[in-house]
Amino acid sequence: GDSVTQMEGPVTLSEEAFLTINCTYTATGYPSLFWYVQYPGEGLQLLLKATKADDKGSNKGFEATYRKETTSFHLEKGSVQVSDSAVYFCARWGSGGSNYKLTFGKGTLLTVNP
Amino acid sequence: EADIYQTPRYLVIGTGKKITLECSQTMGHDKMYWYQQDPGMELHLIHYSYGVNSTEKGDLSSESTVSRIRTEHFPLTLESARPSHTSQYLCASSVYGGDYGYTFGSGTRLTVV
Repeated sequence: GDSVTQMEGPVTLSEEAFLTINCTYTATGYPSLFWYVQYPGEGLQLLLKATKADDKGSNKGFEATYRKETTSFHLEKGSVQVSDSAVYFCARWGSGGSNYKLTFGKGTLLTVNP
Repeated sequence: EADIYQTPRYLVIGTGKKITLECSQTMGHDKMYWYQQDPGMELHLIHYSYGVNSTEKGDLSSESTVSRIRTEHFPLTLESARPSHTSQYLCASSVYGGDYGYTFGSGTRLTVV
């Protein structure tokens, strides 16, 4: 079935450090891929997405490239800020019987210290 | 501004009480979902609906029930709350097709004492 595996946290960085959160997905079909962010006490917000191979999603300085050959969608940011502290979820759109559902990774908690 | 609304945001209730968590969206989305989020952050799908009068159980077994009488409304009910139901509940909606993902509500933090 569909699955998403993302880097386990927690991840703790200093402000202005480089961020990478790894994400790989099962290769069933050609799913759209997403990164969501959850700030403390809130629901999830869409951070960025990519709908086909080699697409790059970007938003708020975050980027992720849809890599079909490695079934990966790693999240990167060149210089993190304290305000980026949140939980990040990688997700893929479903295939087959799960066609209308997202499959999420387990989430990665990021803490950025000043 | 959010187009999907969950109420209440926080609820503390005694064991054995019946509760309904409300979820409404103004986007006309046909698909709606309920997730339970455990303290370790992982999301578990407990119910979903692909349209009016259509509801299905998700991947995680839940004692809750849902209804979908109107497109915009997808309430979740617990007939008899227990401490094991303490959790964060997140509602989401989507349109047909995978290019847009979900829109989430802000969640309801339920505590059963």
